[in-house]
Amino acid sequence: RKEVEQDPGPFNVPEGATVAFNCTYSNSASQSFFWYRQDCRKEPKLLMSVYSSGNEDGRFTAQLNRASQYISLLIRDSKLSDSATYLCVVIYNNNDMRFGAGTRLTVKP
Amino acid sequence: NAGVTQTPKFQVLKTGQSMTLQCAQDMNHEYMSWYRQDPGMGLRLIHYSVGAGITDQGEVPNGYNVSRSTTEDFPLRLLSAAPSQTSVYFCASSYSGGTWGYTFGSGTRLTVV
Repeated sequence: RKEVEQDPGPFNVPEGATVAFNCTYSNSASQSFFWYRQDCRKEPKLLMSVYSSGNEDGRFTAQLNRASQYISLLIRDSKLSDSATYLCVVIYNNNDMRFGAGTRLTVKP
Repeated sequence: NAGVTQTPKFQVLKTGQSMTLQCAQDMNHEYMSWYRQDPGMGLRLIHYSVGAGITDQGEVPNGYNVSRSTTEDFPLRLLSAAPSQTSVYFCASSYSGGTWGYTFGSGTRLTVV
C-alpha cells in the first residue's frame, strides 16, 4: 500500500463547477500536510498548507482529519487556469516529504 | 532572487556514464532534497540534507550520491547511469522543512540510453 494515496482522476469539470479531491495517508506520525499544484512539464508549486481546523484561500479550501488520516481539497467556481495535477503531500520529521501520485483536473469551457 | 536553480534542464547519458546534477538556492535554506518523478508513481525522495555537512538517504538512494559542502549547493551524482534512472529530477529547499513546505527547482529531464 502506498503511503499517500490519491484518486488519479482525471476529473473533467465545466467552468464554474465545484470539485473535491481526497487523499489518505498511512503513517500516523505525519507532521505536516500540504497541497501542491503541478502544471504539465513544470515543477510542483505550493498551493496551500492543510490544518485540522481547516483553511481557506479564496476559492480553495483544505481540510485535515487526523483521526481518519484523510486530507481534502475543495475548489469552488473552477477556472480554466485551475487545470493541473494536484499533489497531496505529507511530511515526516521536517525533511521527509511523501507525495501522492497526483489527481489530474481538467476544467473545460 | 533566483530561488532554486537546477542545471542542466535536459541530459542524455549512455549506460555506465556518470554525471552530476547541480542544484543551488539563494534563500539561505537549511533543508534541501532531491526527488525523482516517474509516471504514475509520484515524486520519491532520493537524498536530503538538513544543513551543510549533513546528508541522509531517502526512499530510493541506490545509484546516487550527494554532498553538502555549502548551504547554497546540493549536487546529485549518478555514479554509473542505468536506464532505470531515466526520470525527471527535482531539487527542493525549505527554510523550516515541515512548517512552510518546500520550493522546487524547474527540474532536470534525464534520459539514459
